[in-house]
Amino acid sequence: DQQVKQNSPSLSVQEGRISILNCDYTNSMFDYFLWYKKYPAEGPTFLISISSIKDKNEDGRFTVFLNKSAKHLSLHIVPSQPGDSAVYFCAATYGGATNKLIFGTGTLLAVQP
Amino acid sequence: DAGVIQSPRHEVTEMGQEVTLRCKPISGHDYLFWYRQTMMRGLELLIYFNNNVPIDDSGMPEDRFSAKMPNASFSTLKIQPSEPRDSAVYFCASTNPTAGGRRDTQYFGPGTRLTVL
Repeated sequence: DQQVKQNSPSLSVQEGRISILNCDYTNSMFDYFLWYKKYPAEGPTFLISISSIKDKNEDGRFTVFLNKSAKHLSLHIVPSQPGDSAVYFCAATYGGATNKLIFGTGTLLAVQP
Repeated sequence: DAGVIQSPRHEVTEMGQEVTLRCKPISGHDYLFWYRQTMMRGLELLIYFNNNVPIDDSGMPEDRFSAKMPNASFSTLKIQPSEPRDSAVYFCASTNPTAGGRRDTQYFGPGTRLTVL
């Protein structure tokens, strides 16, 4: 049973436009959410996170939005750049899990020049 | 720091053979995680250690899988006997939540791509 779902396996966006990656979760105990980025032949790297006490967190071109009532979060990349082309994983955890992250299946973002 | 080191980077073996994957975490990190990545299930946590002690192995798929961490700088994931359905990319990650960094930020190695024929 997938507790963290990324329903779009892939997304293609033009350079300079906004990329929106979506993630849904089912476990209401999750209180911390993260996005990781993965290039081919490399391990995932941390990108941005958000606590459940917030509904938005921004870091440069990257913004994560959290809608707790809908159990949904999204990652916005503005403006998108070709170097952003990668697989993006959504992950979630909760206080009692002690660093145990539950990952989604990932979304492959392709930013076209 | 060299980051998390994994070896080998690629492994091709035949069904029934024993496979051992190796990981060296970042120095000073007291949590170590083993993940498996597949298209269907994404990144699955197999097992994790804290201070060399296994904390949660509920993600280990079968008894054919075992993991050890004999010391703070080395861990192994063993599959015996291996099967074609074990083919995946296996990642090791480490973290140190007490170091003042972001909560739950894990640092991943480059992964081992395992192919079982």
